[in-house]
Amino acid sequence: KQEVTQIPAALSVPEGENLVLNCSFTDSAIYNLQWFRQDPGKGLTSLLLIQSSQREQTSGRLNASLDKSSGRSTLYIAASQPGDSATYLCAVSDFGGTSYGKLTFGQGTILTVHP
Amino acid sequence: GAVVSQHPSWVICKSGTSVKIECRSLDFQATTMFWYRQFPKQSLMLMATSNEGSKATYEQGVEKDKFLINHASLTLSTLTVTSAHPEDSSFYICSAPAGGTDTQYFGPGTRLTVL
Repeated sequence: KQEVTQIPAALSVPEGENLVLNCSFTDSAIYNLQWFRQDPGKGLTSLLLIQSSQREQTSGRLNASLDKSSGRSTLYIAASQPGDSATYLCAVSDFGGTSYGKLTFGQGTILTVHP
Repeated sequence: GAVVSQHPSWVICKSGTSVKIECRSLDFQATTMFWYRQFPKQSLMLMATSNEGSKATYEQGVEKDKFLINHASLTLSTLTVTSAHPEDSSFYICSAPAGGTDTQYFGPGTRLTVL
């Protein structure tokens, strides 16, 4: 059974700091990995999707890397802003078949960026 | 981008009543939708996979007779919580992959409170 772990559980940083969020998964036979953002009481917004064959994806100040063999992904946020404050979730989609599209989520990292 | 809506956004009901939650893909067709449940300060747990025109597939430990799923069209899936009890109080979120992509698009969620 796939298990996803995120470290740290919570992170508080001053505005402008670069930061890294970590995600690890136990079964490397994944189809893809996604990073999501969730604001309190809201749904999820997809930030980045990395296919299993890819090493990284970038969008603006966000960069996500994937090391499938070691079961790890990182989300790098450059020049953090107070508006980045949210819960960040990583999720993996297991490979093919009846599992296709089903996501296993980590517990999330609660990020607070203070002015 | 692809948009998924949910209705209602929140609902309060008495114990023993049934509650229906709708999940709609607004600008794309979704043969498959996923229903997740999120307890406070916890991550999302997949409940079931909703398949258009066929029976839903439930995850282990999820009571199919309690959580009825109907995917009657390519843009609508419904989750009915039957005979709701306070322990069913949770945040319910649906998602769907947009055609031709692997990215999951999530609805804004429905907050269910059972008194």
